[in-house]
Amino acid sequence: NAGVTQTPKFQVLKTGQSMTLQCAQDMNHNSMYWYRQDPGMGLRLIYYSASEGTTDKGEVPNGYNVSRLNKREFSLRLESAAPSQTSVYFCASDLLGGPYGYTFGSGTRLTVV
Amino acid sequence: QKEVEQDPGPLSVPEGAIVSLNCTYSNSAFQYFMWYRQYSRKGPELLMYTYSSGNKEDGRFTAQVDKSSKYISLFIRDSQPSDSATYLCAMSVGSSNTGKLIFGQGTTLQVKP
Repeated sequence: NAGVTQTPKFQVLKTGQSMTLQCAQDMNHNSMYWYRQDPGMGLRLIYYSASEGTTDKGEVPNGYNVSRLNKREFSLRLESAAPSQTSVYFCASDLLGGPYGYTFGSGTRLTVV
Repeated sequence: QKEVEQDPGPLSVPEGAIVSLNCTYSNSAFQYFMWYRQYSRKGPELLMYTYSSGNKEDGRFTAQVDKSSKYISLFIRDSQPSDSATYLCAMSVGSSNTGKLIFGQGTTLQVKP
């Protein structure tokens, strides 16, 4: 099915470990986004990529890095995980880079102990 | 103060009730307003999309935007148990290649049979 695919769905890390969250979309969308969702905080933008080859910081970029590997793929990396990064991470994509409505993946539930 | 405020609820109503969900915002530059529905352990999905002020209706759902009051609403008529979910408002300034959405905290709705 067409859409946004995120891997893994669940992950437990120890403090200080690193990992990469993968995201791929097959809708030929130009823009891709990484959000985190925490109770009482809603969805907060970590990084986004308006088009292939560009990335920009969002509201909460500290502790994260991203790579727009190609038009389909946008990965999020935690270099040294901290308990404060325990969250649900959502990737989203959008056709025109305008606010016409994102398509979200099903999320990655990350726990850092 | 958050840029977008949304009462987190939870909101519990009997089946068939009219539901009103609301968000206020502080940035007068917002032009694009959306409502997303998120079922438990799933990614958000776009429900309604409105540009500028006015009303938009889609079946049992009506979205209203009052830019003068910086207030948006989602009404659900004849609510069903299948409407039980978290509803997130989202908005954007909307110029090209900056389609970043700012989300409210989400309101959890439970419709009881």
